[in-house]
Amino acid sequence: DGGITQSPKYLFRKEGQNVTLSCEQNLNHDAMYWYRQDPGQGLRLIYYSQIVNDFQKGDIAEGYSVSREKKESFPLTVTSAQKNPTAFYLCASTPAGPGDYNEQFFGPGTRLTVL
Amino acid sequence: RKEVEQDPGPFNVPEGATVAFNCTYSNSASQSFFWYRQDCRKEPKLLMSVYSSGNEDGRFTAQLNRASQYISLLIRDSKLSDSATYLCVVNGGYSSASKIIFGSGTRLSIRP
Repeated sequence: DGGITQSPKYLFRKEGQNVTLSCEQNLNHDAMYWYRQDPGQGLRLIYYSQIVNDFQKGDIAEGYSVSREKKESFPLTVTSAQKNPTAFYLCASTPAGPGDYNEQFFGPGTRLTVL
Repeated sequence: RKEVEQDPGPFNVPEGATVAFNCTYSNSASQSFFWYRQDCRKEPKLLMSVYSSGNEDGRFTAQLNRASQYISLLIRDSKLSDSATYLCVVNGGYSSASKIIFGSGTRLSIRP
């Protein structure tokens, strides 16, 4: 079955540690996205990538980093510079870029808690 | 003013009732509009796209009003399984993911 996988589902880290969240898709989609969701709020864009080896900052990129070495994979690193990293992180993909907007397919999310 | 605004609810209605949500947007150049459903602690899933002429899918009807800059979602004959948070999504139409704006969601609870 095609889809997006994110791992792990739950992640606990100590303050000051970097942590990398995995996102893999086998939908052959060009574009991938990372969002953050806090309780009672909408999704906020962290980073997105339209093609391999290229990515752009979203609205809240500070304290995060990404890479896009393969079409299928778009890992997100939450660095110690992120002031309030505890949140629900969602990865998404679309067949083409955001200007040709069709349905965004979402992974199941990773719930990160920083202790 | 937020770019996309939704009444957070919760809307608590009896099974079988009809319920409607609105979502207002500030960017008059917005090109495409969607409703997503999000269950508790799960990822959002597309419920329906919203077209200028309005569209219907079973018990769900979506409307777009460009003049007043809002979209609406109507659910008829509500079921217990309709309980969820409904997210409004507006795409500014530029080649930038930053213009895909999510509302904060409207919580719906259907009671027996």
